[in-house]
Amino acid sequence: GAVVSQHPSWVICKSGTSVKIECRSLDFQATTMFWYRQFPKQSLMLMATSNEGSKATYEQGVEKDKFLINHASLTLSTLTVTSAHPEDSSFYICSARVRGFEKLFFGSGTQLSVL
Amino acid sequence: QKEVEQNSGPLSVPEGAIASLNCTYSDRGSQSFFWYRQYSGKSPELIMSIYSNGDKEDGRFTAQLNKASQYVSLLIRDSQPSDSATYLCAVNVWTGNQFYFGTGTSLTVIP
Repeated sequence: GAVVSQHPSWVICKSGTSVKIECRSLDFQATTMFWYRQFPKQSLMLMATSNEGSKATYEQGVEKDKFLINHASLTLSTLTVTSAHPEDSSFYICSARVRGFEKLFFGSGTQLSVL
Repeated sequence: QKEVEQNSGPLSVPEGAIASLNCTYSDRGSQSFFWYRQYSGKSPELIMSIYSNGDKEDGRFTAQLNKASQYVSLLIRDSQPSDSATYLCAVNVWTGNQFYFGTGTSLTVIP
């Protein structure tokens, strides 16, 4: 199946710093990338949907200035958590979708811990 | 967030039994339905997808969809301890090109 590479796998940062998470589709072109956040024992919460070359669409309640999403190419999307705070500590997962296919291919996830 | 509801469990079944997982959704515009399995600290992995009313079988897994009732289920036959995980129901709202997940059902298969 299609491979989505996400890194880093885990990151620890100080409060107030910014963290960038990368998501790459290795053997296919991802026309749409989705970013999810998951708190312990909770489900995946859709944060935003990004299409290559256009601005991301954010879900209600997600601050676009805090969670910057860039989908510059059909193989790369990045999520930057700006001025991170301890409450941003979570498991962030990207997923990709190929045009014409309805399945999602998931990255391995990034565990973010903000001290 | 579009509403996708699952019984959070935990659901416990003995090894070899049938595990039944249920999911309801609120958006009638939902087009596609998926079951994912997620182990702790890992990303979800796709188990089944279903697009039309009825049953779809794949090995020990059977997905059932009833669009009129806005209900989708997953049956796992001959449950194995390795099936112990959280099972997530996901729906795709085509018009919005969005995928939404339920809260997940924790399944434990007891040897």
